[in-house]
Amino acid sequence: DTEVTQTPKHLVMGMTNKKSLKCEQHMGHRAMYWYKQKAKKPPELMFVYSYEKLSINESVPSRFSPECPNSSLLNLHLHALQPEDSALYLCASSQDKGAGGYTFGSGTRLTVV
Amino acid sequence: QKEVEQNSGPLSVPEGAIASLNCTYSDRGSQSFFWYRQYSGKSPELIMFIYSNGDKEDGRFTAQLNKASQYVSLLIRDSQPSDSATYLCAVSFDRGSTLGRLYFGRGTQLTVWP
Repeated sequence: DTEVTQTPKHLVMGMTNKKSLKCEQHMGHRAMYWYKQKAKKPPELMFVYSYEKLSINESVPSRFSPECPNSSLLNLHLHALQPEDSALYLCASSQDKGAGGYTFGSGTRLTVV
Repeated sequence: QKEVEQNSGPLSVPEGAIASLNCTYSDRGSQSFFWYRQYSGKSPELIMFIYSNGDKEDGRFTAQLNKASQYVSLLIRDSQPSDSATYLCAVSFDRGSTLGRLYFGRGTQLTVWP
């Protein structure tokens, strides 16, 4: 299995809603990432988990809460988002220290209304 | 400051031509270099990576790295309309707190016309 699976593919949520994005990989990768990408911009790093521990938080607002229940799963919990948070949210995984590059999931297209 | 610079384009080439995409980076500590292809509305797809100075070929793609000049490029031979996409250059550092973090350029939009 050489894929990173993200669900849902599309999500529309109101500013008072709570939702979660899910990511799963079975490649034995020990680093997992959340990126945010706005239209015509490069991906922006949000969080890095290494060996199931949060190692990097790029000063992301607390309305985004990551969770890594085990080495194969990564969640992003969303609460009280703003319309400007609408973007493509990408999960990625890699071998330790990014060797060989990332494998990205297909992304979740999030719209906040 | 770890900066990755790409010409945003758009770069337009005819079918069958060679497309040349360029990328420069600011930090001499950079260790690994990646090219991702991203179709509109889709996620990035890794197409090439290179660690050592010189050329690396994979099918129609050739990555070239010159660490002295802090320059990495991607050549696409026999370009096809299906190569039309945004190409992202990314750089990583394999030590310390950077922990495999990728630094992305802004991407170059390539259009291959029939």
